[in-house]
This record gives sequence, C-alpha cells and structure tokens, in this order.
Amino acid sequence: DSGVTQTPKHLITATGQRVTLRCSPRSGDLSVYWYQQSLDQGLQFLIQYYNGEERAKGNILERFSAQQFPDLHSELNLSSLELGDSALYFCASSAGTGPGNEQFFGPGTRLTVL
Amino acid sequence: AQKVTQAQTEISVVEKEDVTLDCVYETRDTTYYLFWYKQPPSGELVFLIRRNSFDEQNEISGRYSWNFQKSTSSFNFTITASQVVDSAVYFCALSEDQAGTALIFGKGTTLSVSS
Repeated sequence: DSGVTQTPKHLITATGQRVTLRCSPRSGDLSVYWYQQSLDQGLQFLIQYYNGEERAKGNILERFSAQQFPDLHSELNLSSLELGDSALYFCASSAGTGPGNEQFFGPGTRLTVL
Repeated sequence: AQKVTQAQTEISVVEKEDVTLDCVYETRDTTYYLFWYKQPPSGELVFLIRRNSFDEQNEISGRYSWNFQKSTSSFNFTITASQVVDSAVYFCALSEDQAGTALIFGKGTTLSVSS
C-alpha cells in the first residue's frame, strides 16, 4: 500500500459526460501528479500540483482540468468525454518537487466511456 | 527531446531462469534520474529503484539488480532466479532536472514467468 488513495476505483459513463476523479496524497507529501495509462499512448504525464499551485503541465487536453485543495487532496475533472478517454488514471504523490523525488502511485481509477 | 525505449515488448521465461529487461534513454540534461516501476496484474504501480545520473554504481536488492551505463545510455534490470510472482509489466522511466519532475515512461516490458 503506497499510502496514496484514489476514488472511485472504477467509473463507467457515456460520451459527452463529465466526471471527477479524486486523489489523496500520502501524509506529508505536497506534490500531486496525474498520469493517464492507455493502450495506445502508454503512461503519460498530465499535470502536477505542488502545495496548491500548478507546477508542470504535460499532455493534458483542454477538456481536462485539475486542482489541488488546501488539504492537499486533488481532483481531476474530465469533461465532454470521448471514447478515447477510456483509460486508467493514476495519481502519484511525492514529498518535494525536484526531479529526483520518488513518486508513490495510487491504485488508479479505471474510466470506461461508452 | 527526452525519450525512454524498452525494446522488449514481451518476455516469457520459466521459473528459476535469469532475465534482463533492457532500457535505453535519451536526454540532453547532465542531471537526470532513472526509475523502474513494476505493474502487477492487479494494476498498481510499484516503485523499485531510483538512480541519479552521477551514480553509476550497480545496485543489487535480493534477486533484483540494476546496471546503469552512461556510455550506452542504458539502465538495465535483471531478475535472478525468476519466480511466478515476478510476472508483471515493468516500466523504465526518466526524470530530467530541466524538465521538472514529470516521469517519462517507456512503453513497458511484459514479463511472464511460468512454473
């Protein structure tokens, strides 16, 4: 158990809908990262927050947004969902924000868009 | 641009065989970090090791060992005396000093160990 929690574990929804994925980092970790794992794209970095502020952005679509709250939990919002958004979404956390920080991954949320 | 290549898509071995998973990376940074993660069938990503670019010492942890060679930009992972529980997808990843903390993952190698 990494100490990172993600809810829900599974999510099934329809095209055009909006969903919110939730992540609680390990106790004491200030950085939260979101990654998407799909069959065709593999594991891709989406976005990072550090202590409430956006720190880095990867291949995140404009239809997707995220935020980190004062209690350090984070939410990833996916809107106008398309079939291609079906994937496993991971949240990870680390203590700091440097590149050498070990990232601990949550169990993931499996999103299926029908 | 940074890139991680895991040329082996799938490897199948029989228990007790040794197996090496290859990882080749590309970076222009002089300071960078390399990682290996394991993704068992249950789906979670489990951290195995982190290496920084200034430390080329090989590392051994039980049946696992890692060979980091800057001259060939490789960070290979060897499992000695493989076991069925080693069956998983293994990912090599790179994080660069200039690019922040995002992990750039390879496509992964699926290892199947049969009894």
